[in-house]
Amino acid sequence: AQSVTQLGSHVSVSEGALVLLRCNYSSSVPPYLFWYVQYPNQGLQLLLKYTSAATLVKGINGFEAEFKKSETSFHLTKPSAHMSDAAEYFCAVGGSSSGSARQLTFGSGTQLTVLP
Amino acid sequence: DAGVIQSPRHEVTEMGQEVTLRCKPISGHDYLFWYRQTMMRGLELLIYFNNNVPIDDSGMPEDRFSAKMPNASFSTLKIQPSEPRDSAVYFCASRRGLSLGGGNTEAFFGQGTRLTVV
Repeated sequence: AQSVTQLGSHVSVSEGALVLLRCNYSSSVPPYLFWYVQYPNQGLQLLLKYTSAATLVKGINGFEAEFKKSETSFHLTKPSAHMSDAAEYFCAVGGSSSGSARQLTFGSGTQLTVLP
Repeated sequence: DAGVIQSPRHEVTEMGQEVTLRCKPISGHDYLFWYRQTMMRGLELLIYFNNNVPIDDSGMPEDRFSAKMPNASFSTLKIQPSEPRDSAVYFCASRRGLSLGGGNTEAFFGQGTRLTVV
């Protein structure tokens, strides 16, 4: 079984400030973890993924996430927010073994607002 | 590749009518997923296929919903009869199977179909 919890359905930051979006997961097998971004009226677009190669993962648009097994977390960060980062962000978990579920389980999403 | 293509982008229909949503996955992807997104329930997996075969349809809300994948390049999600509570954005996604090292590769999403049932 697997699940994802995103803490905070809405996060507001000022332009230039640090972005921190929280994600905690639960998985019965070693997890593969993903962050997706959804802009208004668009589909989901992959930001970055963790597949056990390195705990600190760098993605597109300056975002990165760190896998912390002891905390079962995969928080998304960006040092300096830009107005164009305003969107909804989804964390997702998938199983890594051949016997596990093939689909991704998504969190409920975090709406990021960037204030001028 | 053009990505996952969904049609129509918007659909407005009257309660009781049949609605068919269409999806063309990325060529070479052997998994296809249908998701529904609403404000209340977020992103829900409805059904997924592997090599055109439905694997898990436990997320399909009712018998009014059905999905088919007649070939590797086309899938449909049908709602008959439609109801106002079916109003949502429906996403199709596809991905390749497990990588050599195991594990999920990322899913690629279409732009979605915004369905409004009045």
